[in-house]
Amino acid sequence: NAGVTQTPKFRILKIGQSMTLQCTQDMNHNYMYWYRQDPGMGLKLIYYSVGAGITDKGEVPNGYNVSRSTTEDFPLRLELAAPSQTSVYFCASIHSPTKLNTGELFFGEGSRLTVL
Amino acid sequence: EDKVVQSPLSLVVHEGDTVTLNCSYEVTNFRSLLWYKQEKKAPTFLFMLTSSGIEKKSGRLSSILDKKELFSILNITATQTGDSAVYLCAVDTGTASKLTFGTGTRLQVTL
Repeated sequence: NAGVTQTPKFRILKIGQSMTLQCTQDMNHNYMYWYRQDPGMGLKLIYYSVGAGITDKGEVPNGYNVSRSTTEDFPLRLELAAPSQTSVYFCASIHSPTKLNTGELFFGEGSRLTVL
Repeated sequence: EDKVVQSPLSLVVHEGDTVTLNCSYEVTNFRSLLWYKQEKKAPTFLFMLTSSGIEKKSGRLSSILDKKELFSILNITATQTGDSAVYLCAVDTGTASKLTFGTGTRLQVTL
């Protein structure tokens, strides 16, 4: 299994540009998340989804959008990039709370985004 | 606002030492507390704790939860240089299994 795959791994954007971070998982997980991690900080939740067609805001959603058209894919869109969005972005997934859910959140390898 | 606080923020120890990392939390709804280890890339799962007083153990690492006092500790015995990492504590607040993370403890193990 590939697990959670994020692309790109690195990207430099100019202020005002837009881009999409791709995330796909092959574990048939219902729940998916986007977190960002600033230097020396923990992870903060941007958006999450409990299933195809359902998305909701996390702690820091401003400047971002998401969609969940399939169970596997959960892309994160940055509109009008700003320097404050320079960060490492992690996509993650987990089964919904059933006996399949061990509590382990499965993370992608991260996407390092720099906005200049 | 849900809050998870870890201490110390950073720690330097010698190989062979035992370390204790702390995590306290204030959340409106608690389902579980999780510990992750983060080296250069994505966090990797260590433990999930749901019940007070029951120690989880994996090799030289162990963790325990106190739901009355709202904290958890992560112990690492006989530390090795490979234990150098950031250790993240997170609380699952139950709604869609969203996690609130602490800022982490950066552990450096020197020879």
